[in-house]
Amino acid sequence: DTEVTQTPKHLVMGMTNKKSLKCEQHMGHRAMYWYKQKAKKPPELMFVYSYEKLSINESVPSRFSPECPNSSLLNLHLHALQPEDSALYLCASSRPLEGEQFFGPGTRLTVL
Amino acid sequence: QQQVKQSPQSLIVQKGGISIINCAYENTAFDYFPWYQQFPGKGPALLIAIRPDVSEKKEGRFTISFNKSAKQFSLHIMDSQPGDSATYFCAADTGTYKYIFGTGTRLKVLA
Repeated sequence: DTEVTQTPKHLVMGMTNKKSLKCEQHMGHRAMYWYKQKAKKPPELMFVYSYEKLSINESVPSRFSPECPNSSLLNLHLHALQPEDSALYLCASSRPLEGEQFFGPGTRLTVL
Repeated sequence: QQQVKQSPQSLIVQKGGISIINCAYENTAFDYFPWYQQFPGKGPALLIAIRPDVSEKKEGRFTISFNKSAKQFSLHIMDSQPGDSATYFCAADTGTYKYIFGTGTRLKVLA
């Protein structure tokens, strides 16, 4: 299985809502990533988990809260988002410090 | 030193032609250079990648040329097809989980 899956595909939420994005991989990768991508821009790194521990937080606002429950799952908890947070949220995985990152299809998030 | 400059921003090629996208980097510590293809509304898909000890890598119609001394690398798409129309990102691996992405090239292949 060489796939990273993400749910939901689309999400519309109000600024007072709490929601979660989910990511799953079964490639045995021990590094997992959250990226944010705006239209016509490259992906921007948000968080990196390595061996289920948070390794990198790219100064992301606290309204985004990542969680890595086990080596296959990655969540991104969302609370009190702003309209400018509307974007495509991508999950990726890799072997730790070994180059190739595999991306999921993304969750299209719209904040009203 | 952490930038990857990608050009052109957009590219139109006739079917059957060669598409060429260029990237340049500054930091010689980068050790892995992938290219991603992204269709609208989809996640980036790894297309082909190269390490600095190799000057060229070919996979099907896709070739990476790598010039270590010039700190440049490029993607060549031979026999370009309308189905290749997508946005292409080059990237450089810093070796610390972080990729530095280029700004992207929107390729359109005319039928």
